[in-house]
Amino acid sequence: QVQLQESGPGLVKPSETLSLTCTVSGGSISNYYWSWIRQPAGKGLEWIGRVYTTGSTNYNPSLKSRVTMSVDTSKNHFSLKLSFLTPADTAVYYCARDLGYVDSWGQGTLVTVSS
Amino acid sequence: EIVMTQSPATLSVSPGERATLSCRASQSVSINLAWYQQKPGQAPRLLIYGASTRATGIPARFSGSGSETEFTLTVSSLQSEDFAVYYCQQYHNWPPWTFGQGTKVEIK
Repeated sequence: QVQLQESGPGLVKPSETLSLTCTVSGGSISNYYWSWIRQPAGKGLEWIGRVYTTGSTNYNPSLKSRVTMSVDTSKNHFSLKLSFLTPADTAVYYCARDLGYVDSWGQGTLVTVSS
Repeated sequence: EIVMTQSPATLSVSPGERATLSCRASQSVSINLAWYQQKPGQAPRLLIYGASTRATGIPARFSGSGSETEFTLTVSSLQSEDFAVYYCQQYHNWPPWTFGQGTKVEIK
């Protein structure tokens, strides 16, 4: 069973850029889509976007102008950058293996946007 | 974007009883529909994909059915560990994949 672990800052200031990394262990990162999904406290799940191991990306249109995703197969990890943060971006951010559905999730990391 | 609508928002069920959760898509998603269970403080867990295929390790009391726009998740006999929030998700049309708003199954 592949395992995923998010890492990054828990607190980011408004207007700044969030950078998160997801490290994949127990399996290869190759030949899969890898996604980022977020969940504000007490609310539902929102798909941010996904990256294939070739570097090809697909983003949620609602966030597309602020999102950049990348993958580093040599390090078995993939990354998310979300720019121009506002308090509305405060959420638990999950990384995930995307088969269309998600069969493996990271534990999630809480990101708070506050000055 | 395909909108997924789940009902009811909250379902009160006694242990041992059957729970039936519904999910409706705003347009056909064929059978590209998954169900997840989420407990407080945890990541979601995949239960069902392909509308009716149980994921690895999921007990047989969980079953999924439906196609096109109407889907159902049934828990045949609720155990204490089944009280949680359940989400449906379509993976038929990108962008993006979309989730329902969730159904909370609580103890009656």
